[in-house]
Amino acid sequence: KAGVTQTPRYLIKTRGQQVTLSCSPISGHRSVSWYQQTPGQGLQFLFEYFSETQRNKGNFPGRFSGRQFSNSRSEMNVSTLELGDSALYLCASSLGQGAYFNEQFFGPGTRLTVL
Amino acid sequence: AQKVTQAQTEISVVEKEDVTLDCVYETRDTTYYLFWYKQPPSGELVFLIRRNSFDEQNEISGRYSWNFQKSTSSFNFTITASQVVDSAVYFCALSRGGQGAQKLVFGQGTRLTINP
Repeated sequence: KAGVTQTPRYLIKTRGQQVTLSCSPISGHRSVSWYQQTPGQGLQFLFEYFSETQRNKGNFPGRFSGRQFSNSRSEMNVSTLELGDSALYLCASSLGQGAYFNEQFFGPGTRLTVL
Repeated sequence: AQKVTQAQTEISVVEKEDVTLDCVYETRDTTYYLFWYKQPPSGELVFLIRRNSFDEQNEISGRYSWNFQKSTSSFNFTITASQVVDSAVYFCALSRGGQGAQKLVFGQGTRLTINP
């Protein structure tokens, strides 16, 4: 079974630009979560999508947005990039069903550098 | 609000030593889940274990063991006879039950270095 894939793996942007990151979950998984990892703030939850709907949201400004497609693939977008957005962005997929935790499988991440 | 504290920022030991990584959590939920993840230099988070709040049994998996104590809100992780391949950053995490179950709150991580 193929794992979680994220594209691109590395990205360099300049301040003020916009960026879109992609995540393809494990086949059959309907939940996709996004996390930001920085040296200062650590690992922080951005949002979770399940069946094309945002089900959970973290504490990030509106510049961070996401969506999920009918095939469960997800994209996250960051507009008006700031230097502080430089981070490793991790995507996790899970079955997402029921009112209990389903194990999350993480992708390798996208390393975003904002200059 | 939920919070996870990993007080040990870095630990360095010599191979074959036992090492314990500490994790203390805060939550007002009665139903919650606790996790440990390993992050090798490649960056991908690797799931190690999950515990729910109603299961305080300790667990052993090979050289790994976990001690969950609700009375002290701790979920510590011990590696016995450490190996160089255990070198990584280890994260403790917490999530609530119900619809918020997929939202993980992570500790700051402990960087473990095993020296040959």
